[in-house]
Parts: sequence; C-alpha cells; structure tokens
Amino acid sequence: GENVEQHPSTLSVQEGDSAVIKCTYSDSASNYFPWYKQELGKRPQLIIDIRSNVGEKKDQRIAVTLNKTAKHFSLHITETQPEDSAVYFCAAALGGGADGLTFGKGTHLIIQP
Amino acid sequence: GAGVSQSPSNKVTEKGKDVELRCDPISGHTALYWYRQSLGQGLEFLIYFQGNSAPDKSGLPSDRFSAERTGGSVSTLTIQRTQQEDSAVYLCASTQAETQYFGPGTRLLVL
Repeated sequence: GENVEQHPSTLSVQEGDSAVIKCTYSDSASNYFPWYKQELGKRPQLIIDIRSNVGEKKDQRIAVTLNKTAKHFSLHITETQPEDSAVYFCAAALGGGADGLTFGKGTHLIIQP
Repeated sequence: GAGVSQSPSNKVTEKGKDVELRCDPISGHTALYWYRQSLGQGLEFLIYFQGNSAPDKSGLPSDRFSAERTGGSVSTLTIQRTQQEDSAVYLCASTQAETQYFGPGTRLLVL
C-alpha cells in the first residue's frame, strides 16, 4: 500500500517569512495529492490539491509543487501570517475516487510574531 | 449546502460501555470514510464505504470496532466494550471524486 512521509513535524517561522513542508510517497501510481489545514480543535480543511498532470499549482500565498520522478511534493506558504498557524497534512491517493487518501503525520506550523 | 455532520460532538463514557457515533455525509457523495485522531497525532484510517460495495475494514484496530452505512447515506461507528485508549476524536469524511470533506468530529473520552 501507499506510504506517505511528511517533514518536518514542527516548523517555526517568523511572520512574513516563507514556510515549506515536504512529503514523499511510495506508490508511483498515486496521482492526486491534497493538502489539509487543521486549526486547533477544528476539522481538517482542504486548502489546495494537485494532480499528476501538473507540476505546480498556486493559489494566492499558497503553492504546491510535485515531482513525480522523485515521488515528492511540497507545500509553500509565502508571506506567512499568524492565521497560518495550524497543523498541515499532506496526502496521496490513486485518484478517481477509487481509493482512500493516505495521510502524512502532519506538520505543526508556528508563526512567530 | 450542508456539509458533513457528526453526532454527538462530545461523548464521555465509562470503560466497558458501548458507544455509537453517527455521521451524516454530504448528499450525493457515494464514498464515506472514518478516521481516528488521537491528541496531537495524525489521521488514522479506520474504514471506507464506497457505494454498495463491501466496506474496506482494513484500518479497524480490533473486533470491538464496527461500522455500517444504511441506505448509502448515514453511517454509524460502534465501539464495544470501550477502553481508555479508544479516547480520541473520530472524524468522518465524505468524498466527491478524490476530495474529502470532513465532519467536525466526535470527541470521545473513555474514563
């Protein structure tokens, strides 16, 4: 089955700086890679996703890059703000609704004022 | 429209009791997942329902855990003879294509 590794487990950055979270996956057939943000005590919310036919996707301050050859994908947050503080989970799936998501263990992002 | 809902939002029970957790998925979503999240931990897959197919129970941690989905909609997760290590947040998610939409979770505390 799929195995997703996520690093770092904790990331502290100064407000305004950029944050990068990295994930690797094991199943080369995976082709859907979402990122979820979970604020303290709340449910995970999808913030961005990428499919294997694109290498990069951007939405305002958030971007995700995918390297299928190396089987890794990353979340980039620029100009970080206090409200970006949360736990971020990456995930991988075969896609097409045929299978579930395999999640990474999460990264606790702390934005220092 | 309405999102995924779960009930109860919080449940405190005594060790050895049975509990039932309910999930109402988004209407029309054919796939439904249950996850468990212990304090400060990641998401642990429990069980997956897809349409009328037999559920994928590969994530259930023991035979004390079971789940059913009636009429392809509402799902209940049952934990029998609860143990203290069952204390966690139980999240369900329903799916449109690959995108999973999570419910608010049920916080279970076993005393």
